Amino acid sequence: QKEVEQDPGPLSVPEGAIVSLNCTYSNSAFQYFMWYRQYSRKGPELLMYTYSSGNKEDGRFTAQVDKSSKYISLFIRDSQPSDSATYLCAKGGQAGTALIFGKGTTLSVSS
Amino acid sequence: NAGVMQNPRHLVRRRGQEARLRCSPMKGHSHVYWYRQLPEEGLKFMVYLQKENIIDESGMPKERFSAEFPKEGPSILRIQQVVRGDSAAYFCASSREGGETQYFGPGTRLLVL
Repeated sequence: QKEVEQDPGPLSVPEGAIVSLNCTYSNSAFQYFMWYRQYSRKGPELLMYTYSSGNKEDGRFTAQVDKSSKYISLFIRDSQPSDSATYLCAKGGQAGTALIFGKGTTLSVSS
Repeated sequence: NAGVMQNPRHLVRRRGQEARLRCSPMKGHSHVYWYRQLPEEGLKFMVYLQKENIIDESGMPKERFSAEFPKEGPSILRIQQVVRGDSAAYFCASSREGGETQYFGPGTRLLVL
């Protein structure tokens, strides 16, 4: 079983839709969860990171962690064509710990 | 905006040649990580370095790959005698001392002919 599982999609939605991106993980030793956005042929850009269970909101983005079910989610409200990218979830630990990534979900938002 | 810098952005090598990839961490960051992204694969950790020290190289292939982060200058990922399977995007990330979040550079895309 892979440590971080993520549905690769692709996921296609119309502009303005609410998008839900999800990952599951298998090892509870990790404490931090991140979401990165990666545009085609670019480097991953850190969107959100969370430390504990619950929600964290930043503008149109909400990250949610449920440690009891080992489930992490990213919600995008009022999606825009500029949100079209690959979204990578990752888990990590204390400073100096390698991040373990899911394979990424490709999102396409059409205008 | 002094983000993580990587060069070259694209590198073409023939089988058997050497590839050198460079990474300058974000200003104020002293920890460097290298990751590889193969086509249709996720990002995979390779090595974690601090100045003049390799801290964790558990993701590095045992042969042909090496990394360094000298006291002065950028971190270098070196691949000797490249093979076609080395073709991938190589990303460097950096973090500050004691920081959990890693910030990525734009990557170097290596193509081995």
